[in-house]
Amino acid sequence: GENVEQHPSTLSVQEGDSAVIKCTYSDSASNYFPWYKQELGKGPQLIIDIRSNVGEKKDQRIAVTLNKTAKHFSLHITETQPEDSAVYFCAARHNFGNEKLTFGTGTRLTIIP
Amino acid sequence: DVKVTQSSRYLVKRTGEKVFLECVQDMDHENMFWYRQDPGLGLRLIYFSYDVKMKEKGDIPEGYSVSREKKERFSLILESASTNQTSMYLCASSLWTVYYTEAFFGQGTRLTVV
Repeated sequence: GENVEQHPSTLSVQEGDSAVIKCTYSDSASNYFPWYKQELGKGPQLIIDIRSNVGEKKDQRIAVTLNKTAKHFSLHITETQPEDSAVYFCAARHNFGNEKLTFGTGTRLTIIP
Repeated sequence: DVKVTQSSRYLVKRTGEKVFLECVQDMDHENMFWYRQDPGLGLRLIYFSYDVKMKEKGDIPEGYSVSREKKERFSLILESASTNQTSMYLCASSLWTVYYTEAFFGQGTRLTVV
């Protein structure tokens, strides 16, 4: 089955700096890669996603890049703000029509004011 | 506003009890999921269902069962609760599509088995 590794497990950055979280996946048939943000006391919420036919996607201060050859994808947050403090999870979906997502182990991001 | 509602935020049960965790979604989604969240282990899939009365095992189904009698409701059952089932349980739902799978999560149920 699919295996997703996520690094780092914790990350602290100064407010205004950038944060990068990296994930690798094992199954080359995986074709959809979402990122979820979990705030304290809440369930995870989708913040951005990318499909395997795209190399990069941006939405305001967040971006995701995908390298299919190396089987890794990354989340980039620029101009970080205190409200970016949360746990972030990457995930991979195996193939078309399979609704299962395999999640990484999570990154706790702390923004230092 | 889409909504996945879990019946309890916090639950304390005794070892050996039968425990029911309930989840309801109001989005008419075909797919529903139960995950377990533990520190350092991320979200691990216990069971999922892609239609009423249909279910499939996830990665860690041992000690759990599920029930889906209606499209909007998906129940997780711990037949005989044990202390190693103390965890945060998250329910999610998603629409079936070919291209993407946005899963909508409930707020979670923190279960403590004593």
